[in-house]
Amino acid sequence: DTAVSQTPKYLVTQMGNDKSIKCEQNLGHDTMYWYKQDSKKFLKIMFSYNNKELIINETVPNRFSPKSPDKAHLNLHINSLELGDSAVYFCASSLAGGPNTGELFFGEGSRLTVL
Amino acid sequence: TQLLEQSPQFLSIQEGENLTVYCNSSSVFSSLQWYRQEPGEGPVLLVTVVTGGEVKKLKRLTFQFGDARKDSSLHITAAQPGDTGLYLCAGPAGSWGKLQFGAGTQVVVTP
Repeated sequence: DTAVSQTPKYLVTQMGNDKSIKCEQNLGHDTMYWYKQDSKKFLKIMFSYNNKELIINETVPNRFSPKSPDKAHLNLHINSLELGDSAVYFCASSLAGGPNTGELFFGEGSRLTVL
Repeated sequence: TQLLEQSPQFLSIQEGENLTVYCNSSSVFSSLQWYRQEPGEGPVLLVTVVTGGEVKKLKRLTFQFGDARKDSSLHITAAQPGDTGLYLCAGPAGSWGKLQFGAGTQVVVTP
């Protein structure tokens, strides 16, 4: 069983479109994250949710809207896609959050290409 | 901002050689984690170091946390092609639950 699964794995779309990426974890973790990995492989946190509540919002444009229907799911919706949004988006989860975040478990990533 | 700088950016070696990659910061970290990311996959945790001066071994991989908890190194002995990947260090960055990553070292081990 995949611990953290995200769909789709690949997304190719035109500028201006809206797209969503879904993430589910079956580890029973309390905290989930979205990270963006750019073309230089730099991983940057975007959002963090703990028990469905938004905890971290790292100065991400309003076009990005995360939603956590329950603590096992964290989805990412992106409006009005721009060329610069092209990246690999990783969902992750951890047992706890805060100063003792511990190990992050990552999904396989969703590669978004905006044309 | 607590920056984590990794060096070198890229390392290409032959199977059987040794290598060391570094993770440095001007800030003190309560802990540092090392992850390895293979192509098309998410990063996977290798180790967490917590105590200044700590050395941890994972088979042929040796991790060290600096005495002042500002830096860490990863040494691989007798590298194998399966060690190929992007090695990332990460540390807590102050905000609740925020893990900050370095830019990574891409390691390529050729047979």
